[in-house]
Amino acid sequence: DAGVTQSPTHLIKTRGQQVTLRCSPISGHKSVSWYQQVLGQGPQFIFQYYEKEERGRGNFPDRFSARQFPNYSSELNVNALLLGDSALYLCASSQIANRGPGTEAFFGQGTRLTVV
Amino acid sequence: KNQVEQSPQSLIILEGKNCTLQCNYTVSPFSNLRWYKQDTGRGPVSLTIMTFSENTKSNGRYTATLDADTKQSSLHITASQLSDSASYICVVSVTSGTYKYIFGTGTRLKVLA
Repeated sequence: DAGVTQSPTHLIKTRGQQVTLRCSPISGHKSVSWYQQVLGQGPQFIFQYYEKEERGRGNFPDRFSARQFPNYSSELNVNALLLGDSALYLCASSQIANRGPGTEAFFGQGTRLTVV
Repeated sequence: KNQVEQSPQSLIILEGKNCTLQCNYTVSPFSNLRWYKQDTGRGPVSLTIMTFSENTKSNGRYTATLDADTKQSSLHITASQLSDSASYICVVSVTSGTYKYIFGTGTRLKVLA
């Protein structure tokens, strides 16, 4: 059974460009969350989606957007890239929207985005 | 403000030794607390998850404790191995309207032969 898969694994973009990151959750999982992890820091919550609806949003500018598809895969879009957007972007999937104790979240390997 | 603080920031120990990592949080309303292990450049992997009613939970050589009154948690690693070298992240879940995780900045553990 495949785990959470993210693509691409690495990406280099220039300032001002737009980027789309993709995540496929574990089969049967309906919730996907996105996190940004800057080097040397812990992950920061960006979005959570459940059943194709946004269920949570962190303190990120409107340049960041996301969506979830009927098959529960998700895309994270970042417009007008800044140097500070360089980070490891992590996707986590869980069966439900994490409202109960014991709900496990499984992380993908991440997409390493470098903005030059 | 919801915060999760971890200490020490980094730690170096010899193979075979034990160590304890600390996590203090100011998160409300608290749902559960998780410890993750993250190898460099890779996604976090769950070690333990505890609700407010659980005091201790073990996973092999990893034992996590939780004191919901003082809002403190610890992760004890027994008989450390070289493969334990990683960042250990404490994550507290908040249930207030929308659900989200609050991540600590992690403790970098280096185990030396």
